[in-house]
Amino acid sequence: AQSVTQLDSHVSVSEGTPVLLRCNYSSSYSPSLFWYVQHPNKGLQLLLKYTSAATLVKGINGFEAEFKKSETSFHLTKPSAHMSDAAEYFCVVSDGGSGYSTLTFGKGTMLLVSP
Amino acid sequence: NAGVTQTPKFQVLKTGQSMTLQCAQDMNHNSMYWYRQDPGMGLRLIYYSASEGTTDKGEVPNGYNVSRLNKREFSLRLESAAPSQTSVYFCASSEADAYEQYFGPGTRLTVT
Repeated sequence: AQSVTQLDSHVSVSEGTPVLLRCNYSSSYSPSLFWYVQHPNKGLQLLLKYTSAATLVKGINGFEAEFKKSETSFHLTKPSAHMSDAAEYFCVVSDGGSGYSTLTFGKGTMLLVSP
Repeated sequence: NAGVTQTPKFQVLKTGQSMTLQCAQDMNHNSMYWYRQDPGMGLRLIYYSASEGTTDKGEVPNGYNVSRLNKREFSLRLESAAPSQTSVYFCASSEADAYEQYFGPGTRLTVT
């Protein structure tokens, strides 16, 4: 069974300061991990993905995430927040185990960016 | 290239009415999915179709049926709508299982 926990429901930062959104996962197999972003009243857009290649993954809009197997974590970071980063972020796991695998979504972290 | 499209964008139903949500993708993907999104719950999988001709239940299938009409289209039907089905519904597609999924813009459904 797979699961994902996003440790913060809301994160507030000032424009220009670093962003850290935390995610821990549980998986019986070697997981694939994703971060998606959802702007208000929009669909979900893929930010980045980890699929057992490099552990540091770079995504769009300056975001990156590091896969740490020993800590079962996949935290999302960005060096400098921009107002346009304000959105909800979802950490997602797929364990690719025997048979068909599906995605399991975290409950989301709302990122608030103040001027 | 439209990606994943969904119709309608908004719908209001009375309890007991039925309706079908339509989804189509033009990326030649094998797998398609239906999710519902509720505040504080993330996205929960209703049904999925690994390939044309197959469908399977997800986490929350009760009250819904699906049809994989062809490789492009995957519809979701509510036979007798209930207020608990008020939600935002997203369709998604992927090349295969465990690959990243591409999402449509969503359908906002209200059942009164």
